[in-house]
Amino acid sequence: EAGVAQSPRYKIIEKRQSVAFWCNPISGHATLYWYQQILGQGPKLLIQFQNNGVVDDSQLPKDRFSAERLKGVDSTLKIQPAKLEDSAVYLCASSVIPGGGELFFGEGSRLTVL
Amino acid sequence: KQEVTQIPAALSVPEGENLVLNCSFTDSAIYNLQWFRQDPGKGLTSLLLIQSSQREQTSGRLNASLDKSSGRSTLYIAASQPGDSATYLCAVLSSGSARQLTFGSGTQLTVLP
Repeated sequence: EAGVAQSPRYKIIEKRQSVAFWCNPISGHATLYWYQQILGQGPKLLIQFQNNGVVDDSQLPKDRFSAERLKGVDSTLKIQPAKLEDSAVYLCASSVIPGGGELFFGEGSRLTVL
Repeated sequence: KQEVTQIPAALSVPEGENLVLNCSFTDSAIYNLQWFRQDPGKGLTSLLLIQSSQREQTSGRLNASLDKSSGRSTLYIAASQPGDSATYLCAVLSSGSARQLTFGSGTQLTVLP
């Protein structure tokens, strides 16, 4: 069974530029999550989708971050414009049980903002 | 708001030792608790998931326990090996309509050969 796929693995940009990350969850997993993990900290939830609807985006900085999951399968997370403090690993996860069950993570996209 | 704490932040042990990693949480209204392993530059790998109605789960040399009333979980690793070196994170899924997963900051484990 294929795992959660993410791209790109690494991205370096200057502040005020934009960047987009892509995630393809495990087939059949209706719930998709985007997490931000700053070095030395645990992951923090940015947004949770159930199929193509948003369940929780309370911690998403909506002035600069946006995410979509148009067809209920893969998802894109965008940052525009980026700030220095956005440097982090962006992790995508999926689960088969809505709002519960085991989470499966991708390898993450490491963003460095200069 | 749920807060999850993991102590110690880092731990170094010689190969072969049995060890315990600790996780505490402030709100006992949880749906489940999950332990993850994270290798440098990698994503998280699920190790064990304990439902709120369970007391423990075992997988190979790993045993995780849950005491909801005291807001604690432990991950026991038997006969540690250098390959166990990684960061171990616990995450708590809150119950209720707003099911949010809250992570601790992790314990960085080094097993010395």
